[in-house]
This record gives sequence, C-alpha cells and structure tokens, in this order.
Amino acid sequence: GQSLEQPSEVTAVEGAIVQINCTYQTSGFYGLSWYQQHDGGAPTFLSYNALDGLEETGRFSSFLSRSDSYGYLLLQELQMKDSASYFCAVRDGQAGTALIFGKGTTLSVSS
Amino acid sequence: EAGVTQFPSHSVIEKGQTVTLRCDPISGHDNLYWYRRVMGKEIKFLLHFVKESKQDESGMPNNRFLAERTGGTYSTLKVQPAELEDSGVYFCASSPQTGAHEQYFGPGTRLTVT
Repeated sequence: GQSLEQPSEVTAVEGAIVQINCTYQTSGFYGLSWYQQHDGGAPTFLSYNALDGLEETGRFSSFLSRSDSYGYLLLQELQMKDSASYFCAVRDGQAGTALIFGKGTTLSVSS
Repeated sequence: EAGVTQFPSHSVIEKGQTVTLRCDPISGHDNLYWYRRVMGKEIKFLLHFVKESKQDESGMPNNRFLAERTGGTYSTLKVQPAELEDSGVYFCASSPQTGAHEQYFGPGTRLTVT
C-alpha cells in the first residue's frame, strides 16, 4: 500500500521559518504535492515536485528527494494567516488519478 | 471562473436516513473526485469520474454509497442508509483532462449522522 508520514503539529512565531517534513512509501511514484487547508475551507494546491530538488513559489518552497522518499514544505517569513493544516500527497498513478494524503500538519503561528 | 461548489455545506441527519451531496466541478473539467475526511484522520479518496464514467471507485467504503455523474457535469453522492461512522467532511475536487497534477477542491460538505 501507500502511506505518508508527517508531523501532526508545528508551532512557530511570526517572521520565523518552518519546515514540514513528509516521508512516503509508494508502490509507484508520480510526484509529491502540498495542499493548504484553513479551518472550514477547501484544500488548496501549493506546490508539486516530480523531480529532485527545490521548487520556490514566493514565501513557500518545496523540496523532494526521491532516493530518500522524502520531501518538505518550507514556509518563510511566517504570517498569522499561514496558520492552517498542510497536507502532503502523492498520486495513485499518472496525471489525473486520485491523491493519497498524509494526515496533515497543523501549523499554529503566534505573534 | 467559478470554483468547485458543493451543496449543502452542512447536513445533520439521523442514523438510517438518506442524504445526497452534490458537487459542481469547474466547467470543462473532465476529472471529478470525491474524498472524505473523518475527524482527525487523513483525507481519503472515495471515487474518480472521467466525464460520466467511473474511472476508479476503489475507495468507496461499502454499497451504502452511490455516486453518479449524469451527463459528465455535476455529481451526486448518496448515502443510504447513513450510519454513525459516515460522519465527516466530504470533499469534491476536479481537474482538467490532461497533464493535471493540481486538483481544485470544493469547500466540502460536513455530514453529521446522529
């Protein structure tokens, strides 16, 4: 089967940098994605890595190491609005197939 | 462009009753997915449509769940009869036909079975 592990909670202060790790076990690998979900809201796509390395999108970056079955989401210059749940996810197959999610990491940002 | 919409936003029903959830995907998106998040657990895949056809329904928990996507537009997910363990948030997502690694999620329907 396929499984993903990520920490359940992370806390940080405004302006800090936080890294949310994700390790995965999959029968096939088709890329690692990250989604953000605010309380009561829709999960929204943040980033996608298919190849090793770092992808940067503004304050958020995502890293992948396929040989280690590991990735992380890096959030810089934290703001209160970044308080949310963050999910890593892998695809069950090629583009267009279902996502398999980790249990999510709740990030709490304080002032 | 309108996003994925779901109706209702909340539903409270008694055990044994029937509930039907609706999802309207982004216009033109052939792929439609249903997911569910039970309290404290991960978001789990239920079903995947490509247009009106069920591509993958391996995540459907049992035959009390029935999903349809008539005409390849909106989709419904019916739970009949509902059980306590069906409580959770049901998300719908859609994605375009090809090359899509991003899925667009709706806000979810929070179902409470009492």
